[in-house]
Amino acid sequence: NAGVTQTPKFQVLKTGQSMTLQCAQDMNHNSMYWYRQDPGMGLRLIYYSASEGTTDKGEVPNGYNVSRLNKREFSLRLESAAPSQTSVYFCASSDGGLSEQYFGPGTRLTVT
Amino acid sequence: QKEVEQDPGPLSVPEGAIVSLNCTYSNSAFQYFMWYRQYSRKGPELLMYTYSSGNKEDGRFTAQVDKSSKYISLFIRDSQPSDSATYLCAICDTGFQKLVFGTGTRLLVSP
Repeated sequence: NAGVTQTPKFQVLKTGQSMTLQCAQDMNHNSMYWYRQDPGMGLRLIYYSASEGTTDKGEVPNGYNVSRLNKREFSLRLESAAPSQTSVYFCASSDGGLSEQYFGPGTRLTVT
Repeated sequence: QKEVEQDPGPLSVPEGAIVSLNCTYSNSAFQYFMWYRQYSRKGPELLMYTYSSGNKEDGRFTAQVDKSSKYISLFIRDSQPSDSATYLCAICDTGFQKLVFGTGTRLLVSP
């Protein structure tokens, strides 16, 4: 099992460009999450999907959109990238509730 | 005030030392407490999980929760260089499926 996979691993964007971060899990988990991690700020939840067909905002949703494509895949889209979105983005999945969240390896995004 | 406060470190100790990592939280509704470990350039992974006040032990690791003080700790005995990582506390209340993470404490164990 690959667990949680994320693509791409690295990306450099110019201000105003758009891109989609892809995430897939092979653990048959119901819930999936997108976080960003910044120095001194820790992990902050952007969006989450408690089950296929549902999505909800987290702590820092502005500037992002998500799609739960099916049970396996959960994508994060930046429509018009800004330097403030320079960060490391992690996708995670779990069985929901208080069960363990399994994290992907992260995508390092730089917006210039 | 942040919901979870954690000293970012770095905390540098020699091999074999006892390490104490701590978090404080502000909301008494939080009932579930976790510690995640994150190696450099990797995603976090769950280390320990507890929901009650008191201690929970797993090998060289002990998680301690004091709900009256809203204070949680992770102790590492006989620390090893392989323990060098960032340790994040995470808390959750019973009503949500979301975790609130601390900023993480970077631990460096020197041989």
